Amino acid sequence: AQSVTQPDIHITVSEGASLELRCNYSYGATPYLFWYVQSPGQGLQLLLKYFSGDTLVQGIKGFEAEFKRSQSSFNLRKPSVHWSDAAEYFCAVGAGGATNKLIFGTGTLLAVQP
Amino acid sequence: DADVTQTPRNRITKTGKRIMLECSQTKGHDRMYWYRQDPGLGLRLIYYSFDVKDINKGEISDGYSVSRQAQAKFSLSLESAIPNQTALYFCATSDGLAGASGANVLTFGAGSRLTVL
Repeated sequence: AQSVTQPDIHITVSEGASLELRCNYSYGATPYLFWYVQSPGQGLQLLLKYFSGDTLVQGIKGFEAEFKRSQSSFNLRKPSVHWSDAAEYFCAVGAGGATNKLIFGTGTLLAVQP
Repeated sequence: DADVTQTPRNRITKTGKRIMLECSQTKGHDRMYWYRQDPGLGLRLIYYSFDVKDINKGEISDGYSVSRQAQAKFSLSLESAIPNQTALYFCATSDGLAGASGANVLTFGAGSRLTVL
């Protein structure tokens, strides 16, 4: 069965510092992988996705993520965090095709210090 | 107007009451979903529908029912609400074209916060 683990419940970084949010997945085949962001009081917005091809994917707002099959990971990174990046971040894995369901991780809440 | 609209945005109700959360979309997507979000648990799938005649249970469907009234409308009902159904509920849609990579990309509504006293 598919599963997603986000080991960090809460992370605090200083504005301008780099960021890496961890995501590990469990799935037998090549997964579809996603990062979503939820700002306070908002729905979830897609940051980026990986389906195939280049393992380093670029997303919106300056985020990127790298798919590492050997580590079953899809970590999200940003070189310089802005105060507006404070939000909750969710990693998700999908089986694709007919099943087309996403399984979400429990989320990582990012706080940004001035 | 938002692509995926949820009503109501906030609702407080009492134990035992029947509640309906509604979702409508202008994306033209075939697939619609209801998720529940609880702190520390992330999002869990309640029900999903791949077209008007197709309804499927998710991982936490007990205590909930759904209705797909049209391609654009998907409602979630709590027949007899209980306090542990207090949560933030999200509707989402996705493109159902067979083999399309976009089939897994969900578009979310803004959420409906339900409190059951």
